[in-house]
Amino acid sequence: GDSVTQMEGPVTLSEEAFLTINCTYTATGYPSLFWYVQYPGEGLQLLLKATKADDKGSNKGFEATYRKETTSFHLEKGSVQVSDSAVYFCALSPNYGGSQGNLIFGKGTKLSVKP
Amino acid sequence: GAGVSQSPSNKVTEKGKDVELRCDPISGHTALYWYRQRLGQGLEFLIYFQGNSAPDKSGLPSDRFSAERTGESVSTLTIQRTQQEDSAVYLCASSLTREEKLFFGSGTQLSVL
Repeated sequence: GDSVTQMEGPVTLSEEAFLTINCTYTATGYPSLFWYVQYPGEGLQLLLKATKADDKGSNKGFEATYRKETTSFHLEKGSVQVSDSAVYFCALSPNYGGSQGNLIFGKGTKLSVKP
Repeated sequence: GAGVSQSPSNKVTEKGKDVELRCDPISGHTALYWYRQRLGQGLEFLIYFQGNSAPDKSGLPSDRFSAERTGESVSTLTIQRTQQEDSAVYLCASSLTREEKLFFGSGTQLSVL
C-alpha cells in the first residue's frame, strides 16, 4: 500500500544552519504531497504542499519539490531559527480518480535549533 | 471556536475500562477525521466523517472502537474494554470540505495502565 518514509530524528542544528529533512514515498497513481509541522503545545498544521510532479511548495522560508523520478519530497530551509524547533511530518494523499484520499503520514522528525 | 478543540487533553484509565474522547471541529467544517499516533510511530488514519455519516471507517483497528458525529459538529471516539496497546495520542482534524487542508487539534493523550 501507499507509504511515507522520512528521516529519523532527532535533528539538532545551530541557528542559521541549513536544514534538510528527507522524505520518500510509495504510491500508486499521482498523490499530493504535504509537510505538516507541530510546534510545542500546538496542533499539527499544514506547512506546505505540492500536488503534481515538479511543483515546489514553499512557506516561511521552507521549500520542498515534488520529485516523481526519485519519489521524494525533501524539506529544506536555508537558515533555521530557534522558532523552527518542532516536529515535522511528511504526508501524502492518494489520488483516487482526482479525489483526495485520506492523509498517510510519516513518523515525524523532531528538530531542535540551538541559539 | 478558533480551532479544533479536543478533550480531555490527557486521560489515564485502567485496562478493561471504556473511554470516550471528544472533538469539537471548526464551525462550518463538513469533514472530520480521527487519527492515532502511537509512540515513535506515524499518524494512523482511523475514521473520516462527511457531515454526520462516516463513509470511511477502514482505519478502526477493532470492533472495540466506534465513533459518531452529531449535528455536523462534535464527534466522539469511544474505545471499549481498553487494552494497553490502545495507549496513544488521538488526534482529530477538520476541513471545510474533503479537498481543503486539514486543521488539527492538540490531541488526547490516552494512557491505559
